[in-house]
Formats: sequence, C-alpha cells, structure tokens
Amino acid sequence: DTGVSQDPRHKITKRGQNVTFRCDPISEHNRLYWYRQTLGQGPEFLTYFQNEAQLEKSRLLSDRFSAERPKGSFSTLEIQRTEQGDSAMYLCASSSPYRGNSEAFFGQGTRLTVV
Amino acid sequence: DAKTTQPPSMDCAEGRAANLPCNHSTISGNEYVYWYRQIHSQGPQYIIHGLKNNETNEMASLIITEDRKSSTLILPHATLRDTAVYYCISQEGSNFGNEKLTFGTGTRLTIIP
Repeated sequence: DTGVSQDPRHKITKRGQNVTFRCDPISEHNRLYWYRQTLGQGPEFLTYFQNEAQLEKSRLLSDRFSAERPKGSFSTLEIQRTEQGDSAMYLCASSSPYRGNSEAFFGQGTRLTVV
Repeated sequence: DAKTTQPPSMDCAEGRAANLPCNHSTISGNEYVYWYRQIHSQGPQYIIHGLKNNETNEMASLIITEDRKSSTLILPHATLRDTAVYYCISQEGSNFGNEKLTFGTGTRLTIIP
C-alpha cells in the first residue's frame, strides 16, 4: 500500500495558462476526492468519483475546472485560464467503501502558484 | 459550512495528555464525529471516528458526551510530532465509505518541549 500519490508537488504558472494535476489513489480504492486548501483554511471539497463516475461537484468547481477519472484508477484535475485566485493547495484523497470503516487517505497535495 | 466549533489554538507540554474539545451541538443521529490532523505541508491524516460510544486506537481516544453535542480528542502522551492542525468534523458516514468531508479551520495544537 503505497498511499495516495500526487504529481507534481509544486507548480508555478502564469495567469491565463492551463495546468493539469494527477492523482493516483490507493489501489482498489474506488472513491476518489479532490479538495482545495487556501492558506489558513481547512480543505474545501471540490468533487468526487466513484469508479469512473463523477458523482458530485461543488459550486466551487467553476467552468474552468474539469476533473476526470477515465478508467476508475488515476484522476486528473485541469484548470483552464488560471487566475491568481486559483493559487492554493490541491489535495486528492481516496477511500474504499468495502473496508467497513470511513477513513479517507490524503495525498501530499499539489501546491499551485499563479503569478 | 462546517458544523463544528473548535478553539483556534492550544498549547500542550510534551509528554502530557493533549485534550482537544469540539462542539457539534446540531449533530444528527446518523452523523459520525471524525478527527483528522494536518501536519505542516502535508495532507490531512485520519485519526479516529465515532458515533456515540467512546473510541480508542493506537493514536488517540475519542470521548463523546452522552447527548453527542460535544466531544474531546485525547492524545495521551503528546510528542513534538503531534504539533499540527486538528480538525473535528461531523458527517454522515456508513460502512459504505466516506462521503465528502466538510472541514472547518480546526485547532492549531503546539506541543511545547
């Protein structure tokens, strides 16, 4: 069990550019979540997948954001036309509904800085 | 919005028990109390959760009041590595896995040598 892996760990981009982040969940975890965290705040829910189906999206997820999980394994989060307000830590988490508990495992996050 | 309230910060001496309070006065009957912590520059880490009975694991103990309106997370022998932000979350949960978590701003716990 290698844990949830996120790539890259850090990303600096110019305003207006597109960025894509990747998350590899724990194998056999069929639920995958994306959160965003700004300085001094707790993580905020963005979206989640069960297998390849995107079941819920937060109103925080504007039209510039899109998430996919094409084969029910890894997931990508893309931000188009980045804005300075998108600067944050983007966290991915996974969980299994079949383990009889409700523990979510988080990755280390991708820190995005928009300049 | 988060449905729990926590003190913004606390200090605890190394080796002592750290007791972190949480109020969740509007918790409903099917909502669990979860605790996560976040060490600087890392993702949140699950600690413990419970419904109405007290719970203990290798990391901590969770004491839930009989009316379920508040709880206390206890780290029995705090070490410097326990310095982190601790989040208390009330959320529906089930044996079918976690739904989305609604984090507040948590309690910043500092362990003092």
